[in-house]
Amino acid sequence: AQKITQTQPGMFVQEKEAVTLDCTYDTSDQSYGLFWYKQPSSGEMIFLIYQGSYDEQNATEGRYSLNFQKARKSANLVISASQLGDSAMYFCAMRERNYGGSQGNLIFGKGTKLSVKP
Amino acid sequence: DSGVTQTPKHLITATGQRVTLRCSPRSGDLSVYWYQQSLDQGLQFLIQYYNGEERAKGNILERFSAQQFPDLHSELNLSSLELGDSALYFCASSPQEQFFGPGTRLTVL
Repeated sequence: AQKITQTQPGMFVQEKEAVTLDCTYDTSDQSYGLFWYKQPSSGEMIFLIYQGSYDEQNATEGRYSLNFQKARKSANLVISASQLGDSAMYFCAMRERNYGGSQGNLIFGKGTKLSVKP
Repeated sequence: DSGVTQTPKHLITATGQRVTLRCSPRSGDLSVYWYQQSLDQGLQFLIQYYNGEERAKGNILERFSAQQFPDLHSELNLSSLELGDSALYFCASSPQEQFFGPGTRLTVL
């Protein structure tokens, strides 16, 4: 069965520094997608970044990058130049296999709570 | 703004009652996914609809049901509510990335 593991329940980072949030996954599929979401205290789920299993380059979106190591089954999120507004829960997710014509649902890790210190 | 809308934002009700949560996907998206986020279970997939048809089921209780209408909006019906059903309910839609609506926070008293 597919599984996402986030081993860091909480992390602290100093403002303006970079931080890496860990995510490992388990799947027997060759084709899959990996996602990161941010959930601030207000509760909404904000899509950050996506990596397809066949993408050769690591995905980047502004200050977010995904360090994809396929052989190690890891998909760590790197946030550069942390800002106070980055304080939130971060969830790693994997898409389950597609059902003919539509994309599969996501399975989520338990999340990492990031706190940015001024 | 993800483009996915959900109503209501908050819902407070009593045990045994029935409620309906509504979701409109992003323009052009045919799929709607429902998720439940609770403190003890985390984020769990409930059910997916694609162009009006049920496509996949997750950990959805028999007391819960959903449907997707011809205009592609979806409703999640929760009946015989229990205290443990208190949670944040999200819907999402996507061609590839899954964009989430703002969620409905359900409190069962």
